[in-house]
Amino acid sequence: GDSVTQMEGPVTLSEEACLTINCTYTATGYPSLFWYVQYPGEGLQLLLKATKADDKGSNKGFEATYRKETTSFHLEKGSVQVSDSAVYFCALSEPGGSYIPTFGRGTSLIVHP
Amino acid sequence: DVKVTQSSRYLVKRTGEKVFLECVQDMDHENMFWYRQDPGLGLRLIYFSYDVKMKEKGDIPEGYSVSREKKERFSLILESASTNQTSMYLCASTLGWAGANVLTFGAGSRLTVL
Repeated sequence: GDSVTQMEGPVTLSEEACLTINCTYTATGYPSLFWYVQYPGEGLQLLLKATKADDKGSNKGFEATYRKETTSFHLEKGSVQVSDSAVYFCALSEPGGSYIPTFGRGTSLIVHP
Repeated sequence: DVKVTQSSRYLVKRTGEKVFLECVQDMDHENMFWYRQDPGLGLRLIYFSYDVKMKEKGDIPEGYSVSREKKERFSLILESASTNQTSMYLCASTLGWAGANVLTFGAGSRLTVL
């Protein structure tokens, strides 16, 4: 079945450092890929998505590129801020199946001033 | 702005009590979901519903039931709460079935069972 593997956290960075959170997936077809973010005390919200190979999703300075050859969708940001501290979830949704999204376990990011 | 509202943000219940978690969406979405979130385990799907009065089991339905009598409302029921059901519960909805559909989540209900 489908699966999503994320790097374990927490990831701890200083403000203005570069961020990469790795995400790889296993799917039988051609999934859509998502990054959701959960700020403290809140539910998840969509950060960015990509629907086909080589697409790049971007939002709030974050980017992720759909790499079919490596089945990856790594999240990157060039300069993190304290306000980026949150839990980040990688997810996929596969057409032709049930479309029920499959989530990774989440990666906690802590950014220090 | 589309909204998913979970009526109770924090609940404390005793073992054996019946617990209702309510979720309402105002977007006319067809599909609604209940997830459980635990540290280190991510999100696990309990139940989902693709239409009024329709429900499907997710990955961990044991100990839970659901009700969807109206399109906008999806309730999660713990018939007899147990301490291992202490968790954060997240409700979500989507418009229809398409791979790129985005889930809209509520803020969550944190349940503690004593």
